[in-house]
Amino acid sequence: GAGVSQSPSNKVTEKGKDVELRCDPISGHTALYWYRQSLGQGLEFLIYFQGNSAPDKSGLPSDRFSAERTGGSVSTLTIQRTQQEDSAVYLCASSPERGSSYNEQFFGPGTRLTVL
Amino acid sequence: GENVEQHPSTLSVQEGDSAVIKCTYSDSASNYFPWYKQELGKGPQLIIDIRSNVGEKKDQRIAVTLNKTAKHFSLHITETQPEDSAVYFCAARWGGGGNKLTFGTGTQLKVEL
Repeated sequence: GAGVSQSPSNKVTEKGKDVELRCDPISGHTALYWYRQSLGQGLEFLIYFQGNSAPDKSGLPSDRFSAERTGGSVSTLTIQRTQQEDSAVYLCASSPERGSSYNEQFFGPGTRLTVL
Repeated sequence: GENVEQHPSTLSVQEGDSAVIKCTYSDSASNYFPWYKQELGKGPQLIIDIRSNVGEKKDQRIAVTLNKTAKHFSLHITETQPEDSAVYFCAARWGGGGNKLTFGTGTQLKVEL
């Protein structure tokens, strides 16, 4: 079946511009996560959506970052007034609410963001 | 919160040899420890995981061990093959953080012919 998809795969923007990154989770997965992966670094947690609960935004690095999840499916990560330090690969993952794969997070291929 | 340290950052082995990657975590309440493999240009993919009520788990050439007392866990790959070359990440699920994971900084494994 289809996995997690993300778009665009690459985004180049100028400092100060806003960007939107999209994530389409696996159908039926109720949990959705955003991570940031800087060059040579591990994955940094940003935000976590679980069903209808309020999202866990504890990993967002500043108020320039926000995310929404519409209809319990597609999610958009928005970065306002981008800075060069925002350059990274942004990864989205989803996981099912129950079943044998409950714990596993299924990752998309990521969006590589470059801020000039 | 949780802090995960991973060593080594790079590891080079000869084909057929074993590879070991080690991680430590800080939160004693952590209860789930997955390992992910990331190939170039792709997202991480789960290869094996272990829960805190188990000390060891094996899946063919891959095994993971967990020492809760010492708060460390390790990935063991035996009979390495060139296709094992990738970046490997350990992670820990924070005891009080739902299902979100804290990741180590990754190990670049290179299997040489």
